[in-house]
Amino acid sequence: GAVVSQHPSRVICKSGTSVKIECRSLDFQATTMFWYRQFPKKSLMLMATSNEGSKATYEQGVEKDKFLINHASLTLSTLTVTSAHPEDSSFYICSARGPQGPQETQYFGPGTRLLVL
Amino acid sequence: SQQGEEDPQALSIQEGENATMNCSYKTSINNLQWYRQNSGRGLVHLILIRSNEREKHSGRLRVTLDTSKKSSSLLITASRAADTASYFCATEETSGSRLTFGEGTQLTVNP
Repeated sequence: GAVVSQHPSRVICKSGTSVKIECRSLDFQATTMFWYRQFPKKSLMLMATSNEGSKATYEQGVEKDKFLINHASLTLSTLTVTSAHPEDSSFYICSARGPQGPQETQYFGPGTRLLVL
Repeated sequence: SQQGEEDPQALSIQEGENATMNCSYKTSINNLQWYRQNSGRGLVHLILIRSNEREKHSGRLRVTLDTSKKSSSLLITASRAADTASYFCATEETSGSRLTFGEGTQLTVNP
């Protein structure tokens, strides 16, 4: 199956700093990537849909200036958490779907655990 | 409103027993998918069932879909300790391609 990677897998940062998380589709081109957030023992909540070459579409309640998304190429999307605060601590997961992959399956990355001190 | 509600929230069984998890949703869907997540890890896609399908099998997994009741079930037969994980259903709505996840069922299979 298609492989999606995320980097870093874990990051600890100080409050006020910005953190960038990368999501890569390793063996297929992904025109659309999705960013999710997951709190402990909770479900995944879609934050935004990232389309290559265009602006991301954010879900209601998600601050676009807080969570910057850039889908610069067909294999890479980045999520930058700006001026991170402790309440931003969470598990962030990306997924990818593209023209070379099955039409209806999203492939998920392994997730990035962010801890803001 | 909550799409993809699951029950039970937690299920504990013995190895060899069958595990059944249920998912309900509210809107019209293109398909419903089941995923597995080990603690602190990413999601693994298990099976997809389209809205015009009623049942699907994959190894020890059996998924049913009842669009009239807007519900689905995931059956894991002959469970193993390695099946211990959280299981999520996710629906792709007819209005778009985004997935909406249920709250998940934490399955524990005791050896």
